[in-house]
Amino acid sequence: GQNIDQPTEMTATEGAIVQINCTYQTSGFNGLFWYQQHAGEAPTFLSYNVLDGLEEKGRFSSFLSRSKGYSYLLLKELQMKDSASYLCAVIRLTGGGNKLTFGTGTQLKVEL
Amino acid sequence: DVKVTQSSRYLVKRTGEKVFLECVQDMDHENMFWYRQDPGLGLRLIYFSYDVKMKEKGDIPEGYSVSREKKERFSLILESASTNQTSMYLCASSLGQGSGGYTFGSGTRLTVV
Repeated sequence: GQNIDQPTEMTATEGAIVQINCTYQTSGFNGLFWYQQHAGEAPTFLSYNVLDGLEEKGRFSSFLSRSKGYSYLLLKELQMKDSASYLCAVIRLTGGGNKLTFGTGTQLKVEL
Repeated sequence: DVKVTQSSRYLVKRTGEKVFLECVQDMDHENMFWYRQDPGLGLRLIYFSYDVKMKEKGDIPEGYSVSREKKERFSLILESASTNQTSMYLCASSLGQGSGGYTFGSGTRLTVV
């Protein structure tokens, strides 16, 4: 089986930086995704990491350490529209193909 | 852009009814997935399929079945709907190993009364 943990809620100030952590335990690891989900909408793709290190994409960066089973999503220059749920998801290779499993999500609230 | 289309946005069904949720993707993706999303529990994988006529159980397959007769279409079937299957159902698709990302449909909010 596998276990994915991330904080339930976080609050940050507009213009600040926030880091959302995710730890996982899984066999057959084949990559980690971060998704953003606004209330009532489908999740949208933010980042994908399969090798150790930092991937930067504009205001969003994602880091992975496979040996530690750890990832984080870094959001810079926070905007009010960044208030959303952030989902960490791990791909596991199974005999039947890829299996993408999600954590329960971190609800981020950005305040003035 | 890949489009994943779910046939209904909102659905209300009675307990014991057979329910079909349809999902169609237009980019020739091999992998398709059905999740349900509930408050506090996140997205949980029900079933997935990596090829036509192939299916694999996810983490919570009980009470559900699936059908993939054509590559672009993946159907979720509730054989006999129950109130604990009231949920948001999300379909997703991906290409190959999935590194290109998984694209989600807009979801079907199913209420079983």
